[in-house]
Amino acid sequence: AQSVTQLGSHVSVSEGALVLLRCNYSSSVPPYLFWYVQYPNQGLQLLLKYTSAATLVKGINGFEAEFKKSETSFHLTKPSAHMSDAAEYFCAVSDGFDSGYALNFGKGTSLLVTP
Amino acid sequence: DTAVSQTPKYLVTQMGNDKSIKCEQNLGHDTMYWYKQDSKKFLKIMFSYNNKELIINETVPNRFSPKSPDKAHLNLHINSLELGDSAVYFCASSPWTSGSGEQYFGPGTRLTVT
Repeated sequence: AQSVTQLGSHVSVSEGALVLLRCNYSSSVPPYLFWYVQYPNQGLQLLLKYTSAATLVKGINGFEAEFKKSETSFHLTKPSAHMSDAAEYFCAVSDGFDSGYALNFGKGTSLLVTP
Repeated sequence: DTAVSQTPKYLVTQMGNDKSIKCEQNLGHDTMYWYKQDSKKFLKIMFSYNNKELIINETVPNRFSPKSPDKAHLNLHINSLELGDSAVYFCASSPWTSGSGEQYFGPGTRLTVT
């Protein structure tokens, strides 16, 4: 089964600082990778996805992620954090046909943005 | 015009009861899912449902059963509720596109079993 690992359950940055959330994947085939954001008491919203079209993927709200096969990574970045970015972030990988293409999620990273 | 909706948003019930959570999507998608988010916010797939084919995560107790009256609905029935069933349950849908399709999530149902 495909899986992802998120390094760092909590990340704290100052407003205006670079945001870097780490995700490494384990997959025997080229993966489909996703980053989702969850605001308190809400559902999950897609930030961006990698489907092999381009290694640098731009998403909503100024986020982007780079697929690096050599490092099996798909880290999420944003040049300048806003207070409104405080949320839980999940990296996920599509698990393939046998699971009905269900998503396998990482354990999540809680982003705190301080003034 | 909500894409994926769930009812109820909150559900509080006692051990041993039977309950249902409803999910509807108006996106015309072929595939629907149920995920469970535990108290540590870990998300895990429970079921995938596509064209009347059900794929069950082997770790899900058989007290849980999805029922799909039509392509736009996938309801979750839970029998003999246990304390450990307390969690947030998310419904999602996506097009059947070999795994590259985005999944759209509902707002979640917070189930509390007392």
